[in-house]
Amino acid sequence: NAGVTQTPKFRVLKTGQSMTLLCAQDMNHEYMYWYRQDPGMGLRLIHYSVGEGTTAKGEVPDGYNVSRLKKQNFLLGLESAAPSQTSVYFCASSWMGRQDGYTFGSGTRLTVV
Amino acid sequence: GEDVEQSLFLSVREGDSSVINCTYTDSSSTYLYWYKQEPGAGLQLLTYIFSNMDMKQDQRLTVLLNKKDKHLSLRIADTQTGDSAIYFCAETLDSSASKIIFGSGTRLSIRP
Repeated sequence: NAGVTQTPKFRVLKTGQSMTLLCAQDMNHEYMYWYRQDPGMGLRLIHYSVGEGTTAKGEVPDGYNVSRLKKQNFLLGLESAAPSQTSVYFCASSWMGRQDGYTFGSGTRLTVV
Repeated sequence: GEDVEQSLFLSVREGDSSVINCTYTDSSSTYLYWYKQEPGAGLQLLTYIFSNMDMKQDQRLTVLLNKKDKHLSLRIADTQTGDSAIYFCAETLDSSASKIIFGSGTRLSIRP
């Protein structure tokens, strides 16, 4: 009964390095989302997906790419990390019905130095 | 536009009621949510309310919705130390593809 699992939980990157954050859900949810959380700014939507093979931009997509090759996985990539991307990243998933809200992962804390 | 606003901090004495307030701008909101985030964890859905309701009660939690003023509140009765967390207000919009817009969160601290 894992729900939404994010890996890794922590990571330190040097400016210019690349990495991929993995989100996996076992609830057969159609929709998946990537958010970043910064102090005093709440959660801001980076990218989201409404089904396998689909992706769409959210509020702050620049510097990130995503892929949804399998329904259960949603990957967030940083091609060339910048200090402004230091944040806590949350993945979430949901059914198509909005009233159920989202199920969140426990987050990935990323520091770019 | 889409915007959800909350005050950043609230301090309450243990045993008192906490009231966390939120305002939103989009009148087409369909569902409004309260999420709780404990330190080092993701967000957990506490409760939600459909926009045609004005109140919902669930044990110690009471949600009030004033659609005319676009104001949502969460009341926690008999606040306990375990209620210390950040509380996020959120809304969904008819026109978006199941996107939820979050407020910046209210940090609730409990004093003895």
